[in-house]
Amino acid sequence: EAQVTQNPRYLITVTGKKLTVTCSQNMNHEYMSWYRQDPGLGLRQIYYSMNVEVTDKGDVPEGYKVSRKEKRNFPLILESPSPNQTSLYFCASSNRGSGANVLTFGAGSRLTVL
Amino acid sequence: AQTVTQSQPEMSVQEAETVTLSCTYDTSESDYYLFWYKQPPSRQMILVIRQEAYKQQNATENRFSVNFQKAAKSFSLKISDSQLGDAAMYFCAYSPYNAGNNRKLIWGLGTSLAVNP
Repeated sequence: EAQVTQNPRYLITVTGKKLTVTCSQNMNHEYMSWYRQDPGLGLRQIYYSMNVEVTDKGDVPEGYKVSRKEKRNFPLILESPSPNQTSLYFCASSNRGSGANVLTFGAGSRLTVL
Repeated sequence: AQTVTQSQPEMSVQEAETVTLSCTYDTSESDYYLFWYKQPPSRQMILVIRQEAYKQQNATENRFSVNFQKAAKSFSLKISDSQLGDAAMYFCAYSPYNAGNNRKLIWGLGTSLAVNP
């Protein structure tokens, strides 16, 4: 089944404890992206990657890092999480040739930082 | 900057009835894409329907159809024969045609749809 897989789905952590949210897609998509979803703010893009070793900032990159060492994986790293990073996170991917910028989303990761 | 506005935070519909969700957007581009995504309680973001701005014909997917008014920059979603499983948050989203390296979607804040039995 073609899908984007995120882990963990739920995580409660404490301020300053480094964590990584993994994202993997099995569709051989070139493009991958991370969004965060917050009430009243909608979905905002954190980082995106057009291909292996090519990443760039989205609208709200502060406090996050990403890497794209393999085509299928695009982990989101929070080096020193803070409570304002409590949010619902989505990973999404797209094929270069899919047209219409159709994104396939993961199931979301609910992160709480205490 | 492009923006997407959904003016109805909440709506409700009776099962088997028809409901229309509104979306307006602002852009100076002539070519772009518009989307409706559904987010049920499971939180999964599911594509409902998409529309290419250069196509005059309104997109349709089974019980879901859109009313695309390019001049008015309006993109409403009509759900016919509403079912209990249609209860969800619905998001309208915009993407420029030539997105370059970033296929970012610009999102509205969503409309929460309740379906009453």
